[in-house]
Amino acid sequence: NAGVTQTPKFRILKIGQSMTLQCTQDMNHNYMYWYRQDPGMGLKLIYYSVGAGITDKGEVPNGYNVSRSTTEDFPLRLELAAPSQTSVYFCASRNPGYYEQYFGPGTRLTVT
Amino acid sequence: QQQVKQSPQSLIVQKGGISIINCAYENTAFDYFPWYQQFPGKGPALLIAIRPDVSEKKEGRFTISFNKSAKQFSLHIMDSQPGDSATYFCAAILSGGSYIPTFGRGTSLIVHP
Repeated sequence: NAGVTQTPKFRILKIGQSMTLQCTQDMNHNYMYWYRQDPGMGLKLIYYSVGAGITDKGEVPNGYNVSRSTTEDFPLRLELAAPSQTSVYFCASRNPGYYEQYFGPGTRLTVT
Repeated sequence: QQQVKQSPQSLIVQKGGISIINCAYENTAFDYFPWYQQFPGKGPALLIAIRPDVSEKKEGRFTISFNKSAKQFSLHIMDSQPGDSATYFCAAILSGGSYIPTFGRGTSLIVHP
């Protein structure tokens, strides 16, 4: 099992550009999550999904969109990149009934 | 509102010493308290976790101490090693909801050889 994979690993965007951060898991987990991590601020939840076709906002959803068409994939879309979205983004998944979340390796995004 | 407060923000320990990281929570409904370990350039990974019906859990050199009345829990790393150098996050989870963790802000631990 590859676990949770994320692409790209690094990306530099110009202000106003758009991009999609990809996340795929091969553990057949229903629950998937997107977090952003900023220095000294911990992990903030952006969006989460409890299964294909079902998504919900987390603590910091503004400026982002998600979709969940399959169990495996949970892409995160940035429509109009802003410097405030410079961060490291982590995708995670979880099996129902279990507390542990499995994290991907992250995408480091810089918006200039 | 920060529901889980973690301290210290950074910690430097000599090899063989004890590392202690503390967390305090506010919501008494939380019923699961994990610690995640994150190495540079990697995603967090579950290290150890505890439920509030026990006061201590030990796994190798890692121990969680839990004080329900004080709403505090801490991670103790005995015989700290340079390979333990990482960022540690505490979290609290409410199982009655969607199992979404509330994370502390993290502690950067450096263990000098």
